[in-house]
Amino acid sequence: EVLLVESGGGLVQPGGSLRLSCAASGFTFSDFSMMWVRQAPGKGLEWVSYISSRSSTIYYADSVKGRFTISRDNAVNSLFLQMNSLRAEDSAIYYCARAEWFEGNYYMDVWGEGTTVTVS
Amino acid sequence: DIQLTQSPSTLSASVGDRVTITCRASQGISSYLNWYQQRPGKAPKLLISSVFNLQSGVPSRFSGSGSGTDFTLTISSLQPEDFATYYCQESYSIPPITFGQGTRLEIK
Repeated sequence: EVLLVESGGGLVQPGGSLRLSCAASGFTFSDFSMMWVRQAPGKGLEWVSYISSRSSTIYYADSVKGRFTISRDNAVNSLFLQMNSLRAEDSAIYYCARAEWFEGNYYMDVWGEGTTVTVS
Repeated sequence: DIQLTQSPSTLSASVGDRVTITCRASQGISSYLNWYQQRPGKAPKLLISSVFNLQSGVPSRFSGSGSGTDFTLTISSLQPEDFATYYCQESYSIPPITFGQGTRLEIK
């Protein structure tokens, strides 16, 4: 079974830091790009960050650029999101998602259940 | 950045109805348009990729169409489990990747 399991969320004060993890199983993790997507309470989905399979290409949303760092460790099938200088507006459920690609189109075909970050 | 506008924001319908949700892009995005379903308290689920490619296991009552700037998700005969929020998403010129604001499909 293809599975993504996030962890590391919690309550943190403004200006604090958190490191989210996403453990992948059931597929060859090193073959896939990965993404983080978040959802603030009662709001829609917001893309946060992208990392290619070998970490050679990384993108961030403007809202987190300079504060968040995405990384991965293919040896242990894990994706990470280091979040620094956290703000109240970063409070959200953070989803890890597998990125698929077809003829230039990126989409997220497998999602974790999410981990909740509260900045207060 | 590309903006995606979904309409309507909320849609009330009954079991058995045919419904259509529209996603309009602020500029042409070729076929780089995907649709997701999110049930309350659950993670999003990919329904359709590249405008009309139905994902494995997704019922055939779901279909997608469109090109350029205007796209639609159609559910041919609503079932109770279809009442959820639907999002479109584009990846024409990443970064960023953009989602529509969502369409909440509720029971009439």
